[in-house]
Amino acid sequence: GNSVTQMEGPVTLSEEAFLTINCTYTATGYPSLFWYVQYPGEGLQLLLKATKADDKGSNKGFEATYRKETTSFHLEKGSVQVSDSAVYFCALIKGFGNEKLTFGTGTRLTIIP
Amino acid sequence: KAGVTQTPRYLIKTRGQQVTLSCSPISGHRSVSWYQQTPGQGLQFLFEYFSETQRNKGNFPGRFSGRQFSNSRSEMNVSTLELGDSALYLCASSLGHGSTAGELFFGEGSRLTVL
Repeated sequence: GNSVTQMEGPVTLSEEAFLTINCTYTATGYPSLFWYVQYPGEGLQLLLKATKADDKGSNKGFEATYRKETTSFHLEKGSVQVSDSAVYFCALIKGFGNEKLTFGTGTRLTIIP
Repeated sequence: KAGVTQTPRYLIKTRGQQVTLSCSPISGHRSVSWYQQTPGQGLQFLFEYFSETQRNKGNFPGRFSGRQFSNSRSEMNVSTLELGDSALYLCASSLGHGSTAGELFFGEGSRLTVL
């Protein structure tokens, strides 16, 4: 079946540091890939997505590139801020006509001023 | 535009009871999905409804059920509650078709504690 593997957290960085959160997936064919973010006390929000190989999703300074050859969708940001502290989830969806997302376990990110 | 609204936000039940959670999607959204979030299992898909029909179902026992009304509002029900059902239950709405597949808008969740 489909699965998503994320790097274990928690991750703690200083403000303005470079961020990478690794995500790899297992799925047949060509899933669509997503990063969602969950701020404390809130539901999840879509951060970015990519629907085909070599697509780059970007939003709020975050980027992730759909790499079919390595089945990866790593999240990156060049300079993190305290406000980026949250839990980040990698996810995939396979096929059409459904909204069944398969999520990774989440990576908790804390940014220190 | 109003977001996804879930009620109640917090509730405490005892083992053996049942619970009903409600979700009002974003206006115009026809798909409503439910997820269970726990520290141990992460986010697990429960089911999805689209235009009042269950379109997809996760691997949960029959004690977990749901429905969707003609105005797209959805409810989920858990009967004969067990301690392990303690979790944050998240509802998400979406257009449910085409190029927006997977673009879900989540509510803040209903936190269920089973004692």
